[in-house]
Amino acid sequence: RKEVEQDPGPFNVPEGATVAFNCTYSNSASQSFFWYRQDCRKEPKLLMSVYSSGNEDGRFTAQLNRASQYISLLIRDSKLSDSATYLCVVGGFKTIFGAGTRLFVKA
Amino acid sequence: DADVTQTPRNRITKTGKRIMLECSQTKGHDRMYWYRQDPGLGLRLIYYSFDVKDINKGEISDGYSVSRQAQAKFSLSLESAIPNQTALYFCATRGSGTGELFFGEGSRLTVL
Repeated sequence: RKEVEQDPGPFNVPEGATVAFNCTYSNSASQSFFWYRQDCRKEPKLLMSVYSSGNEDGRFTAQLNRASQYISLLIRDSKLSDSATYLCVVGGFKTIFGAGTRLFVKA
Repeated sequence: DADVTQTPRNRITKTGKRIMLECSQTKGHDRMYWYRQDPGLGLRLIYYSFDVKDINKGEISDGYSVSRQAQAKFSLSLESAIPNQTALYFCATRGSGTGELFFGEGSRLTVL
C-alpha cells in the first residue's frame, strides 16, 4: 500500500463548478499535511497547509481527519487557471507526496 | 535569483555514464531533499538530509548516492546511469520550523 494515495483523475469540470479531491495516508504518526499545486513540467508549489480544524483560503478549503487518516481539498467556483495537478503531501521525518490528481477546467 | 538552484536543468547522457546533479540554496534551511518524478507516479523521495552530517535514504535510493558538501549544497549522483533513471529530478529545502518545501526548477535527465 502506498503511504499517500490520491484519486489520479483526471477531473474535467466546467468553469464555476465545485470540485473535491481526496487523499488518504497510512502513517498515523504523520505530523503535517499540505496541498501542493504543480503546473505542467514545473516545480510543485505550496497551495495550503491542512489543519485538523479545517482551513480556508479564498475559494479553497482543506480538511483533515486524523482518525480516518484522510485529507480533502475543495475548490469552489473553478477557474480556467485552476487547471493543474494537485498533490497531497504528508510530512514527518520524511515528506511523502501522493501521485497527484489532475484537474482540467473547461470554458 | 532563485532561492533553490539546480544544475544542470537538462542533460542527455548514455548508459553507464556517471552523472551529478547539483543543488544549492540561499534560504538557510538545514533540511534538503532529492525527489524524482515520473509520469503517473508523483514525486518519490530518493535521499534527504537534515544537516551536513545527516544523510538518510528515501523510498528509492538504489542506484543513487548523495553528498551534503555544506549546509547550502546537496548533490545527487548516478554512478552508472541506466535508462530507467530517465526522469525529472527535483531538489527541495525545508526549514525546521515550518512544513513548506521549497523546490528548485527541476533537472530533466534522459539516459539513452
